[in-house]
Amino acid sequence: AQKITQTQPGMFVQEKEAVTLDCTYDTSDQSYGLFWYKQPSSGEMIFLIYQGSYDEQNATEGRYSLNFQKARKSANLVISASQLGDSAMYFCAMSRDYNFNKFYFGSGTKLNVKP
Amino acid sequence: NAGVTQTPKFQVLKTGQSMTLQCAQDMNHNSMYWYRQDPGMGLRLIYYSASEGTTDKGEVPNGYNVSRLNKREFSLRLESAAPSQTSVYFCASSGGRDKSDTQYFGPGTRLTVL
Repeated sequence: AQKITQTQPGMFVQEKEAVTLDCTYDTSDQSYGLFWYKQPSSGEMIFLIYQGSYDEQNATEGRYSLNFQKARKSANLVISASQLGDSAMYFCAMSRDYNFNKFYFGSGTKLNVKP
Repeated sequence: NAGVTQTPKFQVLKTGQSMTLQCAQDMNHNSMYWYRQDPGMGLRLIYYSASEGTTDKGEVPNGYNVSRLNKREFSLRLESAAPSQTSVYFCASSGGRDKSDTQYFGPGTRLTVL
């Protein structure tokens, strides 16, 4: 079975510092995709970044980067220069090449950015 | 560009009542999805539709039915609501072409079943 694990239920970071949110996944597939979403207190799910399992470079989108370590099955989200608006829940998710319509989500990490 | 819209935003039902959650997307996406989100948990897939006219079960389909009315619209029906169905429901859509296709989410419906 596919499984996404986010071991940090809650984290604090000082404004302007970098923070890493952990995500590990369990799959026997060779081809898969990894996503990060942000859910602010308003409730909507916002797509942040994508990494394909065969992508050689780590994905980056502005202040977000994905530290992808395939052998360790980890896909950690790094947020640089944290801002107060980064306070939110963050979810890691995986798609499979075999059935890409089925996303598997982790339980999330709540990030609080302190001024 | 509205993206994915859902109605209603909030709903309170009594046990045994029925209701339909509506979802529409204007991104010409092939695939649409219904998820539920419970406290302390990530999103769990209820049903999805890979294309107009097809629907498939997700992880937690029991107690729900869906209809892909056309390419734009995908509805979720609770025939006889139970307190265990109290949750936040999200509709999403994607191009549905391969594993890199991002799912885009609606604002959610907060449902309480008494």
